[in-house]
Amino acid sequence: EAGVTQSPTHLIKTRGQQATLRCSPISGHTSVYWYQQALGLGLQFLLWYDEGEERNRGNFPPRFSGRQFPNYSSELNVNALELEDSALYLCASISLGQSPLHFGNGTRLTVT
Amino acid sequence: DQQVKQNSPSLSVQEGRISILNCDYTNSMFDYFLWYKKYPAEGPTFLISISSIKDKNEDGRFTVFLNKSAKHLSLHIVPSQPGDSAVYFCAAPAVADKLIFGTGTRLQVFP
Repeated sequence: EAGVTQSPTHLIKTRGQQATLRCSPISGHTSVYWYQQALGLGLQFLLWYDEGEERNRGNFPPRFSGRQFPNYSSELNVNALELEDSALYLCASISLGQSPLHFGNGTRLTVT
Repeated sequence: DQQVKQNSPSLSVQEGRISILNCDYTNSMFDYFLWYKKYPAEGPTFLISISSIKDKNEDGRFTVFLNKSAKHLSLHIVPSQPGDSAVYFCAAPAVADKLIFGTGTRLQVFP
């Protein structure tokens, strides 16, 4: 069974640009979660999508947004990038109520 | 407000000895806890969990203990092996499967 896959592995952007990160969940999983892990910090919840709908979002500004497609894959968009957006962005998937979350290996975003 | 706390950023243990990683939580509504392990350049992987109806759950070398009155849980690894060197996160579900994570403890197991 293929795990959660994320692309790209690394992404380098300059301040003010937009970044798009992609995630393919495990087959059969309908929920996708996005987390940010900034240097020295734990995993901070960003967004939760289930069945194509945004169900919950963390304490992040509106320039962090995303969507979930009919095939349950997901995209995270970060607009107007700031230096402090540099972090590891992790995607996780799950079938609702079927703990635990399964994580991908993340996208390392560097903003210069 | 950090609802799940790991106050030790790092821990160094000799191979073969016991590793004890600690986690505290503030929300008494949490009824399920998980531990994840994370190697560099990889995503976190699920390790072990415990429901609040239990005070102990064991899986091979890994045991998690839960003290509800103290709002404290701990992960015991015995015997510790060099391959256990990683960052360990404790987590609790807040809404549905949305997990609140601690800041992690970096475990180093040396020969």
